[in-house]
Amino acid sequence: AQSVSQHNHHVILSEAASLELGCNYSYGGTVNLFWYVQYPGQHLQLLLKYFSGDPLVKGIKGFEAEFIKSKFSFNLRKPSVQWSDTAEYFCAANDYKLSFGAGTTVTVRA
Amino acid sequence: DAGVIQSPRHEVTEMGQEVTLRCKPISGHNSLFWYRQTMMRGLELLIYFNNNVPIDDSGMPEDRFSAKMPNASFSTLKIQPSEPRDSAVYFCASSLIAGGDNEQFFGPGTRLTVL
Repeated sequence: AQSVSQHNHHVILSEAASLELGCNYSYGGTVNLFWYVQYPGQHLQLLLKYFSGDPLVKGIKGFEAEFIKSKFSFNLRKPSVQWSDTAEYFCAANDYKLSFGAGTTVTVRA
Repeated sequence: DAGVIQSPRHEVTEMGQEVTLRCKPISGHNSLFWYRQTMMRGLELLIYFNNNVPIDDSGMPEDRFSAKMPNASFSTLKIQPSEPRDSAVYFCASSLIAGGDNEQFFGPGTRLTVL
């Protein structure tokens, strides 16, 4: 099964700042990659996913992620965050089952 | 569709008691997953089912945990006897099939506190 690592445990930034969260996965073959978000007190929701094609994937709420196969990475970005982006973000990789990273808590200060 | 439904949303019990968590997947989904989320260990897959059959239970922590899926619309996760270290949020998720680019849809979770 996949191993997924997320670089940052907790990120704190101000509104309008840019966000980039790192994610690396272990498997070099065909892999499907996901970013999920968990808002405070809520369940996980899908932000975006990659399975083939354009390595730059656009998701909901202005998020995007870039798949770089040579680096085994799938970093999440948002050019300008809002207070409502405060949440925990999980990277996940799917071969025969979904493996999650440890998560990154993002706190956006108003 | 109502999404994945879990009950109860909160459960507080005493050590040694039996706890049963329930899940109703999205209609038409053939795969069901049970996860546990804690501060220390993050999100862990406990077990998943394909077409009501348990496929991988390697994440089940010990024999005190058991899961069943008697039909396509219902699954239970049981802990007997419960211990304080079982305190966590337990999520159920479902997808059309496991693997590939299939999105998993998560339920709201059951927050379990074992005193």
